[in-house]
Amino acid sequence: GAVVSQHPSWVICKSGTSVKIECRSLDFQATTMFWYRQFPKQSLMLMATSNEGSKATYEQGVEKDKFLINHASLTLSTLTVTSAHPEDSSFYICSASDPDRPGTDTQYFGPGTRLTVL
Amino acid sequence: SQQGEEDPQALSIQEGENATMNCSYKTSINNLQWYRQNSGRGLVHLILIRSNEREKHSGRLRVTLDTSKKSSSLLITASRAADTASYFCATTTGYSTLTFGKGTMLLVSP
Repeated sequence: GAVVSQHPSWVICKSGTSVKIECRSLDFQATTMFWYRQFPKQSLMLMATSNEGSKATYEQGVEKDKFLINHASLTLSTLTVTSAHPEDSSFYICSASDPDRPGTDTQYFGPGTRLTVL
Repeated sequence: SQQGEEDPQALSIQEGENATMNCSYKTSINNLQWYRQNSGRGLVHLILIRSNEREKHSGRLRVTLDTSKKSSSLLITASRAADTASYFCATTTGYSTLTFGKGTMLLVSP
């Protein structure tokens, strides 16, 4: 149980285009989902916290107009990288917490999406 | 911002040996968790230790927490080649928000 999927697993796009990444909780309802970014050989940096039905909370330094987050249902959150540039190339990982499971601080991570902007 | 600092940054051992990784953090926490990440993959939750706990075991994993020193250690006993991965500690100070450390890259050679 507690499986989180992401789609696509990798994407290559041209500079200036927008890319949408989906994060789904497959066997539980996730009221809260999180989006992280990870550069090569570095740690995960939290970008934003996404709550179903409300606006996402962005971390300091993350442009909300560039990284659009939508959490329209209890099983799906999307991250759209708008007008992507090469410096946005990174590994994007989502996670979800399941309030019905013991130890609600545990987050379940998706497999990540590798974004390469040419 | 990053809360945890792991050391060593990289660790190379032989199969069968024990691997110890340390994590230090700066502020008071609710709990501390350890995650594993295989290269280019998502994270797998290993173990959670709450701020009022001092030690926890799960299979070949042993985690300690010293809140007075703001540090934790992860011990993997009898390591296997399949344990090769990056290991991250992450702290929680508020509900569900994780702050990750920089990670330790573990290489276990057959």
